[in-house]
Amino acid sequence: AQTVTQSQPEMSVQEAETVTLSCTYDTSESDYYLFWYKQPPSRQMILVIRQEAYKQQNATENRFSVNFQKAAKSFSLKISDSQLGDAAMYFCAQFGNEKLTFGTGTRLTIIP
Amino acid sequence: GAVVSQHPSWVICKSGTSVKIECRSLDFQATTMFWYRQFPKQSLMLMATSNEGSKATYEQGVEKDKFLINHASLTLSTLTVTSAHPEDSSFYICSARTSGSRNEQFFGPGTRLTVL
Repeated sequence: AQTVTQSQPEMSVQEAETVTLSCTYDTSESDYYLFWYKQPPSRQMILVIRQEAYKQQNATENRFSVNFQKAAKSFSLKISDSQLGDAAMYFCAQFGNEKLTFGTGTRLTIIP
Repeated sequence: GAVVSQHPSWVICKSGTSVKIECRSLDFQATTMFWYRQFPKQSLMLMATSNEGSKATYEQGVEKDKFLINHASLTLSTLTVTSAHPEDSSFYICSARTSGSRNEQFFGPGTRLTVL
């Protein structure tokens, strides 16, 4: 069975600062993918960043980057230069065994 | 590209009635569609996986006779909540993927169901 754990129900960060959201996972799959999704108040799920487990290099998308530690089964998201539009629920997810498993989410608040 | 729509965006119904929610892939063919349920302030829970032309695969604890899923074409899947009760009130989200992208899912905007 796959499990995804997000231990921070809420986080806040000052605008323009950097924040890191934590995620750990557990899987018996050798081939899997990891994702961070953003869910703003509109409830639309938006893909933030994706990491293939077989790649050692950490994925980066503009202000968003991950720290993927495969041995530790850790997949944290770093948001640099935080903007007001970054305020949302962030879900870590793992794709394996043909299904996507989500963590419980972290609500990120941006302080102006 | 890769747009998924859901209809309706919200629906209110009386207890005991059935409600159908549509999920459409607008600009691609979706060989597989997924249905999720999200309670307030909680995560997305996978309900079922449907492949075009075949029966849906339901997750443990999801009643297949209550949540009927039909994936009749490569662009449309429907979820019918039969004999709805107040505890079925929730936010239902679908997602779709193509045969060429095993790991990437495109999400619909969701449907809020309220059962009175």
